Amino acid sequence: EADIYQTPRYLVIGTGKKITLECSQTMGHDKMYWYQQDPGMELHLIHYSYGVNSTEKGDLSSESTVSRIRTEHFPLTLESARPSHTSQYLCASRPGQGSSGANVLTFGAGSRLTVL
Amino acid sequence: GQQLNQSPQSMFIQEGEDVSMNCTSSSIFNTWLWYKQDPGEGPVLLIALYKAGELTSNGRLTAQFGITRKDSFLNISASIPSDVGIYFCAAYNAGNNRKLIWGLGTSLAVNP
Repeated sequence: EADIYQTPRYLVIGTGKKITLECSQTMGHDKMYWYQQDPGMELHLIHYSYGVNSTEKGDLSSESTVSRIRTEHFPLTLESARPSHTSQYLCASRPGQGSSGANVLTFGAGSRLTVL
Repeated sequence: GQQLNQSPQSMFIQEGEDVSMNCTSSSIFNTWLWYKQDPGEGPVLLIALYKAGELTSNGRLTAQFGITRKDSFLNISASIPSDVGIYFCAAYNAGNNRKLIWGLGTSLAVNP
């Protein structure tokens, strides 16, 4: 069963709108991640966090921003959406070092964003 | 940068056939993970491997951590239609446990 939740699952919006993709996990994991993935393609890390008030950019440059004010919550925001932002956004989490399964990422179901 | 070379890129097989896919690299890794992704969903962990030479099964799935620590394979026996999806390998760098490297995926189609 998924213990990491993403909303919305699907979002279709117009260019220039501000959007926030929500990600919450109930596992108490310290580490959280956002990946961007085009259909059938590889996963690109765009943001990650190792704990509250810690956020870093990933390997793929992204115009989105993230915040980590609470352990369980890691929202991603686009201030002004554009068609190039159309993609699937996957949130994931894992426990810290020393925990059982520390290396295993658990993924949410994803948020598919379409910008017209 | 570090890369995982995953092959084959895609497979189209008959139901009941066995499937084999692998990931190789020139770098050494200390953990290998195999995930499956169904269309429109997030990846789901199939098997995690933590030691060189380790062979682990999960139902009809078997995966091995290569003895050189540079490769891993995943086998699926007696495929069924619900095996359809994209399979990803992923591995953690032996020197830096913070970064997870991903393969490009193997797309599997099963003909009933």
